[in-house]
Amino acid sequence: GAGVSQSPSNKVTEKGKDVELRCDPISGHTALYWYRQSLGQGLEFLIYFQGNSAPDKSGLPSDRFSAERTGGSVSTLTIQRTQQEDSAVYLCASSLATTGWSSYEQYFGPGTRLTVT
Amino acid sequence: GQQLNQSPQSMFIQEGEDVSMNCTSSSIFNTWLWYKQDPGEGPVLLIALYKAGELTSNGRLTAQFGITRKDSFLNISASIPSDVGIYFCALNTHAGNNRKLIWGLGTSLAVNP
Repeated sequence: GAGVSQSPSNKVTEKGKDVELRCDPISGHTALYWYRQSLGQGLEFLIYFQGNSAPDKSGLPSDRFSAERTGGSVSTLTIQRTQQEDSAVYLCASSLATTGWSSYEQYFGPGTRLTVT
Repeated sequence: GQQLNQSPQSMFIQEGEDVSMNCTSSSIFNTWLWYKQDPGEGPVLLIALYKAGELTSNGRLTAQFGITRKDSFLNISASIPSDVGIYFCALNTHAGNNRKLIWGLGTSLAVNP
């Protein structure tokens, strides 16, 4: 079946512009996560949507970052007034359930590489 | 806050050699996950561990959840060139239904054919 997809795969933008990154989770997956990965670094948690619960936004680095998930499926991560330090790979992951062992297992998309010039 | 230490940071080995990497935590936890990331791709789940002392294999990969619940190791036997990539450990320490993971910084593996 189809995995997690993200678009665009690459995005180059000028400093100060807004960008939107899209994530299509695996069909039926109720939880969705956004991460940021800088070159050669680990995964930095940004935000977590779980079913109908309020999202866990504790990882968003500033108020320029926001995300929404419409209809429990597609999610969009928006970065306003981009800065050069926002350059990174933005990864999206989804998981099947909100309870049970399988709920810990996250499946990742290929990421969006964002470059702010 | 929670600290998760992954080592070694990088490894360069000859094809056919065995590899071992590990992660340690400053606190006890209830779930260990091991992922591999190929260049330009997202991480892929290799092994999930849910019980202290659990030893699980996936082909040439073996992982164990430490009995103290503060550590885990991942072994790769008879390495091959396609084992190249970054290996991450991740764990969940949150109570209730919060499934947010804490991630190690990764072990970069290079295999010389």
